[in-house]
This record gives sequence, C-alpha cells and structure tokens, in this order.
Amino acid sequence: DAGVIQSPRHEVTEMGQEVTLRCKPISGHDYLFWYRQTMMRGLELLIYFNNNVPIDDSGMPEDRFSAKMPNASFSTLKIQPSEPRDSAVYFCASSLARTGLNYGYTFGSGTRLTVV
Amino acid sequence: AQSVTQLGSHVSVSEGALVLLRCNYSSSVPPYLFWYVQYPNQGLQLLLKYTSAATLVKGINGFEAEFKKSETSFHLTKPSAHMSDAAEYFCAVRANFGNEKLTFGTGTRLTIIP
Repeated sequence: DAGVIQSPRHEVTEMGQEVTLRCKPISGHDYLFWYRQTMMRGLELLIYFNNNVPIDDSGMPEDRFSAKMPNASFSTLKIQPSEPRDSAVYFCASSLARTGLNYGYTFGSGTRLTVV
Repeated sequence: AQSVTQLGSHVSVSEGALVLLRCNYSSSVPPYLFWYVQYPNQGLQLLLKYTSAATLVKGINGFEAEFKKSETSFHLTKPSAHMSDAAEYFCAVRANFGNEKLTFGTGTRLTIIP
C-alpha cells in the first residue's frame, strides 16, 4: 500500500484565494482525520470522518474551512477565502476501527500551506 | 476529556546516553496512549502504543515506554541515543472505547550531541 497520500506537498497562495487540499486514505480504512500543525498551536484536530460521515468538526476554526469525503478513497479540505494566519502544515491521517487502536493512525506527509 | 502534557519542549542528550522524554496524561476513562516521532518535513510515525495490556511497551528503533497509572505517566526511554534519533516526539491519548479521536501533546524536540 502506498500509505496516506496528500496533495499538493506545498501550496503558496495569495490572501483571499480558495485553497483545496486533498487526501487519499489507505484502502480499507474507515476513519479519516484532518490535523493542522503550527509552531504556536501544535497539532490540532480539525475534523474527522467515519465511513465518509463527519463525526466531529468542532476543531474547524471558522466557516472559511470546509471538509468533504465524497467516497471512501478521497477527502478534501477547503479554505475559502484564505488568510495569512492559515499558513500551516495540514496532515491527513487514516485508521481502521478495531485495529486502529493497535496500529495507531497512519499519517500522510502533509501539505505545507503558505498564504501571502 | 483526555489530554497529555509533555514536559520539556527541547531535550538534548549526548550520543550513547539515555534518552528520557516525559509525558503525563489526564483521562476520565482508562486511556490508550501513543508515542509518535516526526522527522523534518515528514508526517508522524507511530513509535509505540499502550492499549491496557503489558505496562512496559516496546516500540521501534529501540524505544520503550512504561505506563504508570499511579503517576499518570507514560515516559519514553531509549538506553543509548543515536544520531538518527534526532526528531520531534509527540505523546498522544485517546479514550479506550467509543472514540477514535487522538489528542496530541505539544511535542519534544530531541537533539543528539555528537
């Protein structure tokens, strides 16, 4: 398996533009998580899905952020409009219930977003 | 709710010396505990996990951790540090049932001195 695949690896955009981050979880995994990592706030859980259904989006910072999981093999995190304070590394992770607690999450390599 | 506190945002040890990274947890239910490692410009990789079986847990790369309920601790150790251990380490906790959500600590950056 290729692991959790995120794209793009790097994104530089201007303030006010729409940004879409993409994630392909490990095949067969039924949980998908979006995290944001910054120096100031560390790792923050933004939202997670179970069987493509959003379970907890309490970490989504504001209405500018939205996430979807249209099928078991694809998820997007969208920021519209983007602001400089959104600059961070965004990680996607997936896990399989029952074994998730044994193997932990599998993280993608992240998308480094810079908003100028 | 569950939370973890990592004591020391930066730890430096000499090559060959003992590595000790501290993690204390708070949980209203029996926890599952994890240590992850993050190398520069990479995602997080699972080092080891405690899931209510043996209290001394062995992980990859020679690391181990001991769950101590009386001290609410889950410290990470390695007997002899190697240059390749330089990375950031995160402790994480989740409830042991009904919730897959992991809460991470703020991380400890480990530097190895040659």
